[in-house]
Amino acid sequence: QSALTQPASVSGSPGQSITISCTGTSSDVGGYNYVSWYQQHPGKAPKLMIYEVSNRPSGVPDRFSGSKSGNTASLTISGLQAEDEADYYCSSYTSSSTPYVFGTGTKVTVL
Amino acid sequence: EVQLVESGGGLVKPGGSLRLSCAASGFTFSSYSMNWVRQAPGKGLEWVSSISSSSSYIYYADSVKGRFTISRDNAKNSLYLQMNSLRAEDTAVYYCARVISLDAFDIWGQGTMVTVSS
Repeated sequence: QSALTQPASVSGSPGQSITISCTGTSSDVGGYNYVSWYQQHPGKAPKLMIYEVSNRPSGVPDRFSGSKSGNTASLTISGLQAEDEADYYCSSYTSSSTPYVFGTGTKVTVL
Repeated sequence: EVQLVESGGGLVKPGGSLRLSCAASGFTFSSYSMNWVRQAPGKGLEWVSSISSSSSYIYYADSVKGRFTISRDNAKNSLYLQMNSLRAEDTAVYYCARVISLDAFDIWGQGTMVTVSS
């Protein structure tokens, strides 16, 4: 099972919106509405930001939103803030013998 | 407070073994599937293994199949990962994580570092 494809880096200025893509196949992203997104600050454990494509856990700001089209899922951060600078990973349920696959990760820089 | 705490990491020689533990608290451990996820230094997240709430379903990444064994003790609210025939490429921070829905790792431990080196 190959990792889902994400851009290595995305940057934006405070207040702007950015979008991170996550591309898979019909066996994972495209086949199920089970895509999640994680934020990870250096030296910390990942934090769940979005699950089931577009649902936000309690406590996650509504600046974070998720969507999916075909085999590509997206995470949008609106009103970018300094504390949003972190690594972001997508994940999907898969129909292969291994049920989960993560994305390659995207480093978000706030300029 | 909902919490996962890993332990058991350390330095081990190639070919050696190590057993990781994950202690759960603050939730009904026996109701949730649990996973191990690892992250090599400077690299991305890699799913390692999954075990269902009653241990009926167990899955492994191809990279660890045949060498790692996941298990749980619901009476002790604990998750385990027995790692044998360790290789340099197994060097990573190992996280245990709870799963909700089919896709979401909603609670993570702080991680335990495993270093495989001679």
